Amino acid sequence: DAKTTQPPSMDCAEGRAANLPCNHSTISGNEYVYWYRQIHSQGPQYIIHGLKNNETNEMASLIITEDRKSSTLILPHATLRDTAVYYCIVRARSNTGKLIFGQGTTLQVKP
Amino acid sequence: SAVISQKPSRDICQRGTSLTIQCQVDSQVTMMFWYRQQPGQSLTLIATANQGSEATYESGFVIDKFPISRPNLTFSTLTVSNMSPEDSSIYLCSVVPGGSTDTQYFGPGTRLTVL
Repeated sequence: DAKTTQPPSMDCAEGRAANLPCNHSTISGNEYVYWYRQIHSQGPQYIIHGLKNNETNEMASLIITEDRKSSTLILPHATLRDTAVYYCIVRARSNTGKLIFGQGTTLQVKP
Repeated sequence: SAVISQKPSRDICQRGTSLTIQCQVDSQVTMMFWYRQQPGQSLTLIATANQGSEATYESGFVIDKFPISRPNLTFSTLTVSNMSPEDSSIYLCSVVPGGSTDTQYFGPGTRLTVL
């Protein structure tokens, strides 16, 4: 599975959009981009995933560049409860299902 | 998704003892995994729990230290054997419900402290 690079930390003002970047320059054609978050020592929570098209659900939007070498997770209106570590993971759906976690981005939403 | 519970939620144990952690899912799932999260670190996969057969362990993890059972499609256990303070971690199970999706969902975790 391709490796991902994320900034170690980011701040965001409450009510503003939080844009979390992820680089995955070695991504292969059959690999998906998954996003999870972990709120203070709880189990990771699935957010969204995509292959090449932009995706949106009730939690967030995922924007994947045309060359698929990077992506951005967007939380449209961040709240204090969105403070968490956000993990970007690249995984082929044909593999054994396991996820390889990097260090993620610690997002601090401030009032 | 799936509703996943773990028991115990936390425990404090003495070195040299063993602890068995249970993972229960509210529906049959295709795959189950066990992860470890050491203090201040990211998650590391320990093994894939295979139904009716031996678990598949990742590099650095062995069956004698982390025996795993998965007797059916909704339940698995992880035992942390002969514990030392270095085993103090959060242990998490995760599942892939299967069907049309292979998205993985995580349980709440078990926080283990070894004295």
